[in-house]
Amino acid sequence: KAGVTQTPRYLIKTRGQQVTLSCSPISGHRSVSWYQQTPGQGLQFLFEYFSETQRNKGNFPGRFSGRQFSNSRSEMNVSTLELGDSALYLCASSLQGFYNEQFFGPGTRLTVL
Amino acid sequence: AQTVTQSQPEMSVQEAETVTLSCTYDTSESDYYLFWYKQPPSRQMILVIRQEAYKQQNATENRFSVNFQKAAKSFSLKISDSQLGDAAMYFCAHQDTGTASKLTFGTGTRLQVTL
Repeated sequence: KAGVTQTPRYLIKTRGQQVTLSCSPISGHRSVSWYQQTPGQGLQFLFEYFSETQRNKGNFPGRFSGRQFSNSRSEMNVSTLELGDSALYLCASSLQGFYNEQFFGPGTRLTVL
Repeated sequence: AQTVTQSQPEMSVQEAETVTLSCTYDTSESDYYLFWYKQPPSRQMILVIRQEAYKQQNATENRFSVNFQKAAKSFSLKISDSQLGDAAMYFCAHQDTGTASKLTFGTGTRLQVTL
């Protein structure tokens, strides 16, 4: 069974630009969660999508948004990039979210210059 | 709000020895899950072990076991017979049953394994 895939793996952007990251969950998984990992703030929950609906949201500004498609693939978008958005963005998928193991993807390393 | 604290930024253990990583958490919920994740240099997060709060028995997965003290809100990870491949960042995480998939992570403990 293929694991969680994230594209692209590496990305370099400049301040003010916007970026879209993609996550393909394990086949059959309907829940996709996104996390931001930085040296200063650690791992922080961004949001979770289940059946195309945002089910939970972390404490991030509105510049961070996401969506989920009918095939459970998810995208997250960051608009008006700031230097502090440089991070490893991890996505995790699970069958339904509750009580299910979350499987993480390899992450997308975003660098904002 | 839930918080997870890992007070050991770095730990070192000799190969074949045993090491214990500490984790404390704070929650007002009675039903929740606790996890230990491993993040090697490849950055891929891997689930090591999971504990359901309603279960009194400590979880065990091969060389990995936990000491879950619900009243003390403590959740330590014991790695027995340490191997070079165990070297990684270890994150303790908490999940309330009422907040869907949201995991709250600790700051991590970097484990070094020496010969």
